[in-house]
Amino acid sequence: DQQVKQNSPSLSVQEGRISILNCDYTNSMFDYFLWYKKYPAEGPTFLISISSIKDKNEDGRFTVFLNKSAKHLSLHIVPSQPGDSAVYFCAASYGGSQGNLIFGKGTKLSVKP
Amino acid sequence: EAQVTQNPRYLITVTGKKLTVTCSQNMNHEYMSWYRQDPGLGLRQIYYSMNVEVTDKGDVPEGYKVSRKEKRNFPLILESPSPNQTSLYFCASSPTQGFLKAFFGQGTRLTVV
Repeated sequence: DQQVKQNSPSLSVQEGRISILNCDYTNSMFDYFLWYKKYPAEGPTFLISISSIKDKNEDGRFTVFLNKSAKHLSLHIVPSQPGDSAVYFCAASYGGSQGNLIFGKGTKLSVKP
Repeated sequence: EAQVTQNPRYLITVTGKKLTVTCSQNMNHEYMSWYRQDPGLGLRQIYYSMNVEVTDKGDVPEGYKVSRKEKRNFPLILESPSPNQTSLYFCASSPTQGFLKAFFGQGTRLTVV
């Protein structure tokens, strides 16, 4: 059973507009959520994270929102730029003593000039 | 430069021929992990290590072995590769439990024929 779900395989937005990538999870024991960005032929790179005790974290153009009651998080990119075109993976972690980082299947974002 | 280095980047092998994919990190991280990425399935954890001589299974460990004899190295061993192990493999390291802010290698594309 998939614990971290990204239900949109792809998203296309216009340069300068907002990109919103969504992620749902099923396990209430997760205590950190992360977003990774992946370009073709490269490994994923860490983008932004949020602790389960917070509902928002912001870093420049990137903001992650967490709704624990809905078990839902979203990544907002404002304004979107063509260089943001990549696959975005949502991931969740138990933190603590576990070594697991559980990834969603990814959403391919295309930002059109 | 902080990095995770995997070798080889590309490998084509035959069924049953033992192979090793090497992974090395220069950041003195305690935590290391192997993932495989398959179309439509995202990133799935194979094995992880929380310190030298401490390893544990991830979500898809069957057919793989790992060892952690030194802090910097975490090789992935396929004793008898099969075609269903054809995949894109990523090694990752992290300074924290839960693999928060993990650094990923550039990937190894393995084809087993």
